[in-house]
Amino acid sequence: DTEVTQTPKHLVMGMTNKKSLKCEQHMGHRAMYWYKQKAKKPPELMFVYSYEKLSINESVPSRFSPECPNSSLLNLHLHALQPEDSALYLCASSRLQGSAYNEQFFGPGTRLTVL
Amino acid sequence: SQELEQSPQSLIVQEGKNLTINCTSSKTLYGLYWYKQKYGEGLIFLMMLQKGGEEKSHEKITAKLDEKKQQSSLHITASQPSHAGIYLCGADLLFSGGYNKLIFGAGTRLAVHP
Repeated sequence: DTEVTQTPKHLVMGMTNKKSLKCEQHMGHRAMYWYKQKAKKPPELMFVYSYEKLSINESVPSRFSPECPNSSLLNLHLHALQPEDSALYLCASSRLQGSAYNEQFFGPGTRLTVL
Repeated sequence: SQELEQSPQSLIVQEGKNLTINCTSSKTLYGLYWYKQKYGEGLIFLMMLQKGGEEKSHEKITAKLDEKKQQSSLHITASQPSHAGIYLCGADLLFSGGYNKLIFGAGTRLAVHP
């Protein structure tokens, strides 16, 4: 299995809602990532988990809360988002963190719209 | 900080034509990755280049790494409509403290007309 899966595919939420994005991989990868991608821009790193521990937080607002329950799962909890948070949210995984030559495999993304 | 510059920004070609996309780094490249993205979808990993002079191929797509020039090129031979999409190059930024992150170029939007 060389796939990263993400659910839901699309999500529409109000500014007062609480929702979660889910990501799963069964490749035995020990590093998992959240990226945010706005239209016509490249993905921007948000969070990195290595061995289920948060190793990088790219100064992301606290209304985004990541969670890594186990080595295969990664969640992104959303609360009190703003319309400008609307974007494609991508999950990725790689064998390890902290070394070069470490290709990342991406999921299909969740298209988030905040009203 | 390291930056990746891709050229051209967009490309429209006739089916069957060859094309080249370039990715230039402002700093030494340790690993260079090429991804393809269909509009609104996830990134598909194409290939990773590790060493200067390295060349890899996948079907009709070939990528090379010129370490001295801090540049990589992606070449598509006999393009097909299925090659259309956004091509992104990525590079590892290594930090002391034992972590790295992947940065991307702005992408090249390719359209292939029948």
